Amino acid sequence: AQSVTQLGSHVSVSEGALVLLRCNYSSSVPPYLFWYVQYPNQGLQLLLKYTSAATLVKGINGFEAEFKKSETSFHLTKPSAHMSDAAEYFCAVSKEGAQKLVFGQGTRLTINP
Amino acid sequence: GAGVSQSPSNKVTEKGKDVELRCDPISGHTALYWYRQSLGQGLEFLIYFQGNSAPDKSGLPSDRFSAERTGGSVSTLTIQRTQQEDSAVYLCASSLVGVTNYGYTFGSGTRLTVV
Repeated sequence: AQSVTQLGSHVSVSEGALVLLRCNYSSSVPPYLFWYVQYPNQGLQLLLKYTSAATLVKGINGFEAEFKKSETSFHLTKPSAHMSDAAEYFCAVSKEGAQKLVFGQGTRLTINP
Repeated sequence: GAGVSQSPSNKVTEKGKDVELRCDPISGHTALYWYRQSLGQGLEFLIYFQGNSAPDKSGLPSDRFSAERTGGSVSTLTIQRTQQEDSAVYLCASSLVGVTNYGYTFGSGTRLTVV
């Protein structure tokens, strides 16, 4: 079975600081990995995905994530936080041909002015 | 439509009443998913449709929950005899095909409150 663990249910950073949201996965087969963002009272929006191509994946809004097989990690980063980045972020895992995504518990990101 | 549409956006119901939640996926998307988002629980998979069939309904929490999809389009999630623990945001998502390679497109959800 596949699973995802997001370390830290809440992360707070200052505006302009580095954003680092952690995601570790468990999968017996090569995984597909996703990051989604959820703004208040909205659905989830796909930020980026890894599907076995380049290990460094660039997404929307300046976010990127790096797939590290040796660490079973897919951490999300952004060099400089903006107030508009305040949201909840979900990591998800699946595999090739899978019919559903398995989501982590989410990390709520707060940006301090 | 341009996106996944869910209605109602908010629903308050009395304990014991039945509720129906509607999802209208992106036109042409064959796969449709229902997830439940409870406070502090992340996203919990409920059911997956491919066309009008539900090959995976393993996430439905009890026999009070049912879902159907008609015409390969609109889906309805029904909760009978609602309980307070059913209070959550119910999210619908659709995908072009029934594999996850492309990710999902989510609707804005229905916030259900059982009082």
